Amino acid sequence: DAGVTQSPTHLIKTRGQQVTLRCSPKSGHDTVSWYQQALGQGPQFIFQYYEEEERQRGNFPDRFSGHQFPNYSSELNVNALLLGDSALYLCASSFSGTGFTEQYFGPGTRLTVT
Amino acid sequence: AQSVTQPDIHITVSEGASLELRCNYSYGATPYLFWYVQSPGQGLQLLLKYFSGDTLVQGIKGFEAEFKRSQSSFNLRKPSVHWSDAAEYFCAVALNYGGSQGNLIFGKGTKLSVKP
Repeated sequence: DAGVTQSPTHLIKTRGQQVTLRCSPKSGHDTVSWYQQALGQGPQFIFQYYEEEERQRGNFPDRFSGHQFPNYSSELNVNALLLGDSALYLCASSFSGTGFTEQYFGPGTRLTVT
Repeated sequence: AQSVTQPDIHITVSEGASLELRCNYSYGATPYLFWYVQSPGQGLQLLLKYFSGDTLVQGIKGFEAEFKRSQSSFNLRKPSVHWSDAAEYFCAVALNYGGSQGNLIFGKGTKLSVKP
């Protein structure tokens, strides 16, 4: 049973560029959440997708956008990259049938902005 | 605003010694409570969770946590630490939207080092 997978593992971008990160949820899960983890900090919630719509959103600017596909996989897009966007981006999946109560995390994508 | 505080940034314990990692939360009602562990360069692994009922919950890898409503705390414990437990530990809360979980709010983490 595959867990949550994310791609790519690492990414280096330049300020002002755009980036797309991908996530496939754990088998049987239908909800995907994205988190940003800066160095030395706990993860911060970006947004959550369910039924191909944004269900909740954290305190992140509109430069951060997402999408969920019919197979429940998801993308995180960040436009106009800033140095401060350098972080580990974590995807977590959960199942709506249990009230989204357990989130399982992928290994993350390390984004470096230069 | 809701928040999670982990007062200890870094803890070092000897292998075989007991461990307690502290977590306090700020929220008007009882949230869902979680402990996650993160090894270097890895994602987060769920150790245990509390939703309701018995305030002492058991998790994986021999960990347990106790919910104390009066202290707004959810401390993680292990009676005997193994070298493989060295990692970063995060406490998290999820707001309870009428039985449906909201997003997770994490503390800043406690780094655990284990000395031989």
